[in-house]
Amino acid sequence: AQSVTQPDIHITVSEGASLELRCNYSYGATPYLFWYVQSPGQGLQLLLKYFSGDTLVQGIKGFEAEFKRSQSSFNLRKPSVHWSDAAEYFCAVVPMEYGNKLVFGAGTILRVKS
Amino acid sequence: NAGVMQNPRHLVRRRGQEARLRCSPMKGHSHVYWYRQLPEEGLKFMVYLQKENIIDESGMPKERFSAEFPKEGPSILRIQQVVRGDSAAYFCASSPPRGVANEQFFGPGTRLTVL
Repeated sequence: AQSVTQPDIHITVSEGASLELRCNYSYGATPYLFWYVQSPGQGLQLLLKYFSGDTLVQGIKGFEAEFKRSQSSFNLRKPSVHWSDAAEYFCAVVPMEYGNKLVFGAGTILRVKS
Repeated sequence: NAGVMQNPRHLVRRRGQEARLRCSPMKGHSHVYWYRQLPEEGLKFMVYLQKENIIDESGMPKERFSAEFPKEGPSILRIQQVVRGDSAAYFCASSPPRGVANEQFFGPGTRLTVL
């Protein structure tokens, strides 16, 4: 089935440690790829996006993501996590064949321990 | 430039009542999308509208739910005869007429609680 998978429901990292959040998709053609962050009770903020070109994408707040076509993955990374990064992170795609709608993964809740 | 605005931010309804959720897109945006986030789930697409047109409503429940985006005024998501299962956060997003790869900007959401 066509879907977006975020295999980790919860992740806990220590402040200052590195972070990687996983995202895999299963669509025939490479979709447009996005990462959003949602703080408790808030809306979604776009961290970064990939449409084409350089497979390493830089975003806001020190985040980056790497697109790997062979693995159908778009993992989000940050070298050093800050306590303020604690939030829920959503990977999303716009499938080429599905028009304009975003298809979201289930989300990964990031906890940061001091 | 104000972002996407949604109101109310919180809405409480009793079973059987109607809920009206409003969304004002960003200035210059003529495309509006509605998503629903059930507790502990990701967002699910509901409907995509342009001014005075419904473009894709494949995610809308077949009954009780409707959406509009009139020529003037905000987009409205209407839920008739609400049930407890409608309790969720409803997010609106907007994009410009020729947005690159449909980048969507989200509002803060309306959290609907059905008693």
